Amino acid sequence: SSDLTQDPAVSVALGQTVGITCQGDSLRNYYANWYQQKPGQAPLLVIYGKNNRPSGIPDRFSGSSSGNTASLTVTGAQAEDEADYYCNSRDNSGTEVFGGGTKLTVL
Amino acid sequence: QVQLQESGPGLVKPSETLSLTCTLSGGSISTYYWSWIRQSPGKGLEWIGYIYNTGRTYYNPSLKSRVTISVDTSKNQFSLKLTSVTAADTAVYYCARGLVTYYYGSGIYYHDYWGQGALVTVSS
Repeated sequence: SSDLTQDPAVSVALGQTVGITCQGDSLRNYYANWYQQKPGQAPLLVIYGKNNRPSGIPDRFSGSSSGNTASLTVTGAQAEDEADYYCNSRDNSGTEVFGGGTKLTVL
Repeated sequence: QVQLQESGPGLVKPSETLSLTCTLSGGSISTYYWSWIRQSPGKGLEWIGYIYNTGRTYYNPSLKSRVTISVDTSKNQFSLKLTSVTAADTAVYYCARGLVTYYYGSGIYYHDYWGQGALVTVSS
């Protein structure tokens, strides 16, 4: 399966905007999904497809993509957004892959 | 409300088979697709495989020789078997529901519901 590459860690000041990126060849053909995971909890879907938010996910979370890169943007980050974020997609063989995860720290 | 619950032994001996079951409530397992994903302590998420409601399966190439995922529609359950386990298979194992939607002909595949996770330790 293809690999998805994420920066290990990103930080943002409270109330500011931050982007988390995910790169991989599979993203040229498939949209990325984004999952938020807090310590001791199961992952939570925050963005899927082009830029879709499940019910209950704040609109400060948004997604975008271009070429082999997908991005998750948090506009006006809150303390509760501090978590690990994982991107995920399929590839042409039908298998799936997760990125290595990005730890978001809200300062 | 859809809920998924993993169950199975929390301790497995090296070289033996890890077996987990995921029970679905609040929905039908005859639709969508159903995945297993794991997370080793302090590490990231690793996709293990999934099964469609048709029974077709796809597995992570790095685990394919040891993994079997099956579904029992009569019990609204799907299961994971991982053979010849080692300490490297110690992880929290999650089951998840997979959905497919389409945007201008492109498939969007994502997991909207997850179980709480089951810690499986491989140790003698």
